[in-house]
Amino acid sequence: NAGVTQTPKFQVLKTGQSMTLQCAQDMNHNSMYWYRQDPGMGLRLIYYSASEGTTDKGEVPNGYNVSRLNKREFSLRLESAAPSQTSVYFCASSEYNREYYGYTFGSGTRLTVV
Amino acid sequence: AQSVAQPEDQVNVAEGNPLTVKCTYSVSGNPYLFWYVQYPNRGLQFLLKYITGDNLVKGSYGFEAEFNKSQTSFHLKKPSALVSDSALYFCAVRDMGSGGYQKVTFGTGTKLQVIP
Repeated sequence: NAGVTQTPKFQVLKTGQSMTLQCAQDMNHNSMYWYRQDPGMGLRLIYYSASEGTTDKGEVPNGYNVSRLNKREFSLRLESAAPSQTSVYFCASSEYNREYYGYTFGSGTRLTVV
Repeated sequence: AQSVAQPEDQVNVAEGNPLTVKCTYSVSGNPYLFWYVQYPNRGLQFLLKYITGDNLVKGSYGFEAEFNKSQTSFHLKKPSALVSDSALYFCAVRDMGSGGYQKVTFGTGTKLQVIP
């Protein structure tokens, strides 16, 4: 089925460890996004890539880095995990400047930092 | 800057009754408006959108939303709630803008609980 695939689905990290969250979409979308979802905070944009070859900071980029590997793939890296990064992470994609068609979201990665 | 507010953290409604989930927005220009639904342990799913035209927009699963420009609101409605409608609902907005890339801003979400 066409869509956005995120891996892993669950992860537990120790403080200071690093990891990369993977995201791939097969809808030929140009734009991709990483969000975190926390109770009472809604969805907060971490980083986005409007098109292949570009990345930009969102609302809460500190502690994260991203790589737009190609048109399909957009990864999120935590270099030194902190308990404050415990959250559910969602990747999404859309057509460039056609977001009125809606975003397509992955099923999420539940990350716990202890 | 654009923003969206969902004033209710939770809405409880009895099965079969009409439901309303509230949303207000702020943009500098004209808005694109959206509703998304999130079921437990799932990603968000697109429900409906307002781009232009008729103020009453119909979407998936019998939901509709009413755009009110004077009140800057986009409330989600359904005439008869089902237990299966219980989920987290997000309102989102994007300024139409005058060019260049525009992002979508999401609200904090409203949990809808339909009571059998």
